[in-house]
Amino acid sequence: DIVMTQSPDSLAVSLGERATINCKSSQSVLYNSNNENYLAWYQQKPGQPPKLLIYWASTRESGVPDRFSGSGSGTDFTLTISSLQAEDVAVYYCQQYYSTPPTFGGGTKVEIK
Amino acid sequence: QLQLQESGPGLVKPSETLSLTCTVSGASISSSSYYWGWIRQPPGKGLEWIGSIYYSGSTYCNPSLKSRVTISVDASKNQFSLRLSSVTAADTAVYYCARHRYGSRWSAFDYWGQGTLVTVSS
Repeated sequence: DIVMTQSPDSLAVSLGERATINCKSSQSVLYNSNNENYLAWYQQKPGQPPKLLIYWASTRESGVPDRFSGSGSGTDFTLTISSLQAEDVAVYYCQQYYSTPPTFGGGTKVEIK
Repeated sequence: QLQLQESGPGLVKPSETLSLTCTVSGASISSSSYYWGWIRQPPGKGLEWIGSIYYSGSTYCNPSLKSRVTISVDASKNQFSLRLSSVTAADTAVYYCARHRYGSRWSAFDYWGQGTLVTVSS
């Protein structure tokens, strides 16, 4: 299995400031045949299911605000919230879908400072 | 708008079988290229993929659970189901159904149900 490791476990950011979450995979999730990284980011608010934010490491899902961006390739990825809003308080998960079983990171809790 | 809804008992006794159904509305479960999956989340913990099924019945399961998992589909009812046998307290979790694709490789999960809490306790 590909192990997904997120850091930090939690972070507190002031409103309007940048939040950065890291995700590292135990092996590359870059598929050379199409040059795509099989990496997604989800947002989960309390009592709700995860919501897909970003796929292919950097493609925003329809309707996701452009303050959310994803970057990285191979084994190292980053989710950035450029200007934190109150509604962004949530737990964020990365997920690889390169191989079976699809696996998730342990989550990063984002709070307001 | 695609919607998924989990249903089933919220309480299961240890050693018994957990059974859940996911009803899909707003789209046909027989849509080509889509797999329909189960993911679980123990209280306060992370997400674990259990397995996924295609409308034809083709399944993929997490090797860590494979010996206890059965996933089936009823395209006529636009439903798919999960059975997890010999449950223990470690199987207590919110169980989600979700959609993704499989071509040469998987896709992200783009639609999720609201989830249903299943507690294993005597």
